Amino acid sequence: NAGVTQTPKFQVLKTGQSMTLQCAQDMNHNSMYWYRQDPGMGLRLIYYSASEGTTDKGEVPNGYNVSRLNKREFSLRLESAAPSQTSVYFCASSEWGASGNTIYFGEGSWLTVV
Amino acid sequence: AQSVTQLGSHVSVSEGALVLLRCNYSSSVPPYLFWYVQYPNQGLQLLLKYTSAATLVKGINGFEAEFKKSETSFHLTKPSAHMSDAAEYFCAVSDKGGRRGGFKTIFGAGTRLFVKA
Repeated sequence: NAGVTQTPKFQVLKTGQSMTLQCAQDMNHNSMYWYRQDPGMGLRLIYYSASEGTTDKGEVPNGYNVSRLNKREFSLRLESAAPSQTSVYFCASSEWGASGNTIYFGEGSWLTVV
Repeated sequence: AQSVTQLGSHVSVSEGALVLLRCNYSSSVPPYLFWYVQYPNQGLQLLLKYTSAATLVKGINGFEAEFKKSETSFHLTKPSAHMSDAAEYFCAVSDKGGRRGGFKTIFGAGTRLFVKA
């Protein structure tokens, strides 16, 4: 009963380093998302993928890239990390439908850039 | 463009008192509206959602929310707060987004609920 699994859970980076956050879901959902959560800012959408093979920018895409590797996996890459990217990152997935778009979240990845 | 405003970043109530968390939305199309809850060091989980079937929506843990189109509001309530309700609550709005369809969900800034014994 894994749901949405993201790794790593914690990471410390130096400014300018690169890293990739991995995410996988086992619910056969078409849509996947990356959000970042900062105090007082709620969750802000970085990128999303409506379906396998497609990606779209969200509210705060600058400094990030994504890859929808297959239906299960959606990775987020920081090419040159900056202190402003210190945040908690959540991967999520959902299924379209007439009843709306219930999102299921992973447990989060805590990233610190020093 | 859709947006969500949650009034009050912190709300404090006594155990047994009414909980009222406020949410106003903006959407150019009939919205799907959600409340999520986040416990410390966890991801968000769905409390309830509005999908136009009924204006009063009941969720888990005794919470409910009423959709009021005229006020563009979707406030969350619970008649009697429990200590276990202490968490952060997020209102969200969703509609189709992107040139390739799918849904894009935008979250409010969150309201942290404190429950006093």
